[in-house]
Amino acid sequence: SQKIEQNSEALNIQEGKTATLTCNYTNYSPAYLQWYRQDPGRGPVFLLLIRENEKEKRKERLKVTFDTTLKQSLFHITASQPADSATYLCALEMNRDDKIIFGKGTRLHILP
Amino acid sequence: DTAVSQTPKYLVTQMGNDKSIKCEQNLGHDTMYWYKQDSKKFLKIMFSYNNKELIINETVPNRFSPKSPDKAHLNLHINSLELGDSAVYFCASSPTGRGQEKLFFGSGTQLSVL
Repeated sequence: SQKIEQNSEALNIQEGKTATLTCNYTNYSPAYLQWYRQDPGRGPVFLLLIRENEKEKRKERLKVTFDTTLKQSLFHITASQPADSATYLCALEMNRDDKIIFGKGTRLHILP
Repeated sequence: DTAVSQTPKYLVTQMGNDKSIKCEQNLGHDTMYWYKQDSKKFLKIMFSYNNKELIINETVPNRFSPKSPDKAHLNLHINSLELGDSAVYFCASSPTGRGQEKLFFGSGTQLSVL
């Protein structure tokens, strides 16, 4: 079955630098991939969706790439700020059956 | 106004008890979900309902029984609570349930079984 791998160890980035988070999946390539942000004690909040025919998607300081050959999505935050500190979750379909599964998330700390 | 609201925020109870968590969405969405996030922060889908019909049931023990009185509400009843049920339970909704739609989550219910 489909599995999602995210580095669940904390990622520490200096303020102002670009943070890059990785999401790898193991089996078939999904038609789309989503990224969410989760703050402590809160539910995940949707950030971006990228489709299989899109190489890159941007929204303000966020950029997502999708490489179906590598079975990987990269999530970038440019000019990072302490307020960007959160856990970032990757999500995609399990079997092209509308069932969305989540990775374990990567905790990001932006250091002032 | 909160889009997806769930109550209670915290639930502390003894093993063997029965408890319910309620969820309501005011977004007019057709599809609602229950997800469970365990201590390792792994978010797993449990159920989804589309317009009051059960669509996804992810091999959850039958002690967990979702109920959708209308498409704006999806409640979760848990019988005979066990220690392993301790987790944060999130309700979510999406417009039609198609996989490419973004999910809107509630703020979670932290269940602690003692």
